[in-house]
Amino acid sequence: DAGVTQSPTHLIKTRGQHVTLRCSPISGHKSVSWYQQVLGQGPQFIFQYYEKEERGRGNFPDRFSARQFPNYSSELNVNALLLGDSALYLCASSKYVGGNTDTQYFGPGTRLTVL
Amino acid sequence: AQKITQTQPGMFVQEKEAVTLDCTYDTSDPSYGLFWYKQPSSGEMIFLIYQGSYDQQNATEGRYSLNFQKARKSANLVISASQLGDSAMYFCAMRGSRGDYKLSFGAGTTVTVRA
Repeated sequence: DAGVTQSPTHLIKTRGQHVTLRCSPISGHKSVSWYQQVLGQGPQFIFQYYEKEERGRGNFPDRFSARQFPNYSSELNVNALLLGDSALYLCASSKYVGGNTDTQYFGPGTRLTVL
Repeated sequence: AQKITQTQPGMFVQEKEAVTLDCTYDTSDPSYGLFWYKQPSSGEMIFLIYQGSYDQQNATEGRYSLNFQKARKSANLVISASQLGDSAMYFCAMRGSRGDYKLSFGAGTTVTVRA
C-alpha cells in the first residue's frame, strides 16, 4: 500500500507570495494533520482535519489555512509568506481522531524556502 | 498542556551496541499515548513504537523497546544492536486524550552510529 504522499517536494517562493501544499493520506485513513518543522526543532502542530471538518488548530496566524476534500486528501495554504515560514511542512494521516492509540503516519514533507 | 523534554542533543554509539534515548513528559491528561519517530536526513518521519499510559508492559518492536516509567514520567527508547542505518534524528512525542489530538514533539536527539 502507498504511504502518505505530499507535493511538491521542494518549493521556493518570495516574501508576500501565496503557497499551496498538497497531501494524500494512506488509503482508508480519514484524518490528516499538518505540522511545521523549522530547522533544528521538533515539528509543531498546525491543523488536524477529520471527515472534512477541522478538529484542531495550533498556534499559527490566520495566514495559514487548510481544507480536506471528500477523498480525504488535504491542502495547506499559506498567504503573505514571511521569511520565517521557511520550513519542512509535514503531513500525517491516521485512521481516525481520538484515542491515543491512533498512530499518525507521516509523508516525506514539502521543503519550503521563502526568499 | 503537554510538554516533552529530550535533553540529549546528540549521541554517538558503536555499531552493534545498544543506545538509550531519554524522554520525559508532562501532562494533566489521565490517559495519553507516547510515540517515538525516526527522522533520517531525507526528512520523512518514520513511526517506530507506541506506548499507552495504561499499558502494563513495556512496548517492543524488533530492535526497539520503550522503557516506560509512569511514576517518573519517562519513556526512554532503547535501540539494541545498532546499525549504520540507525543514524538519524529521533523524536519523542505525546498525544493526550482530550481536546485536539495533536502530537507534541520534543526537540529530538541525533544519533550517529560509528563502524
